[in-house]
Amino acid sequence: QVQLVQSGAEVKKPGASVKVSCKASGYIFSHYVIHWVRQAPGQRLEWMGWINTANGDTKYSERFQGRVTLTRDTSATTAYMELSSLKSEDTALYYCARTTPFDPWGQGTLVTVSS
Amino acid sequence: DIQMTQSPSTLSASVGDRVAITCRATQNINIWLAWYQQRPGKAPTLLIYKASSLQSGVPSRFSGSGSGTEFTLTISSLQPDDFATYYCQHYGGSSTYTFGQGTKLEI
Repeated sequence: QVQLVQSGAEVKKPGASVKVSCKASGYIFSHYVIHWVRQAPGQRLEWMGWINTANGDTKYSERFQGRVTLTRDTSATTAYMELSSLKSEDTALYYCARTTPFDPWGQGTLVTVSS
Repeated sequence: DIQMTQSPSTLSASVGDRVAITCRATQNINIWLAWYQQRPGKAPTLLIYKASSLQSGVPSRFSGSGSGTEFTLTISSLQPDDFATYYCQHYGGSSTYTFGQGTKLEI
């Protein structure tokens, strides 16, 4: 079945970067866009950006422009989200999701930013 | 930017009840609206897309309606598994993907 499996939880210090992976299976990876969404504690879901897995084109939310980088490895059917210059406010669950509307979603990766 | 607002934020109900959750957009979004369910500790799952189309595998007690700026998710007869948080989402051109603040459905 279609499945997205994300990497494990991360703890980072302020100013550091984090890279989260999203391994896809059960479908042709390059046929669907991958989105990234985050959910901070008590906050609504927030779209971060998407990557066209066929050609690597990306689109980022203005809110994260300059701090987020989306990449993919088609041979590994894996998408990546890297967020830099981390702040405590970036503590959140980070999700990947396939296509639009978003279905399915990965299980989420908790990123904790703390000194 | 288009903003999405859900009401109510919290809804108390019982098994067997019929409930409705409303989502309003600040601009006309036609039918470009999805609904998601998020159970505690789990990722969201897609219920409804294009305002009223039921995602494959989703029980028929879930239905969506509306267009333009006002939308409704209705659950016809609540089951124990339905107690969760529900989010609406506008998706459309110019890479717009805006979520509502969520509605927590509790017993």
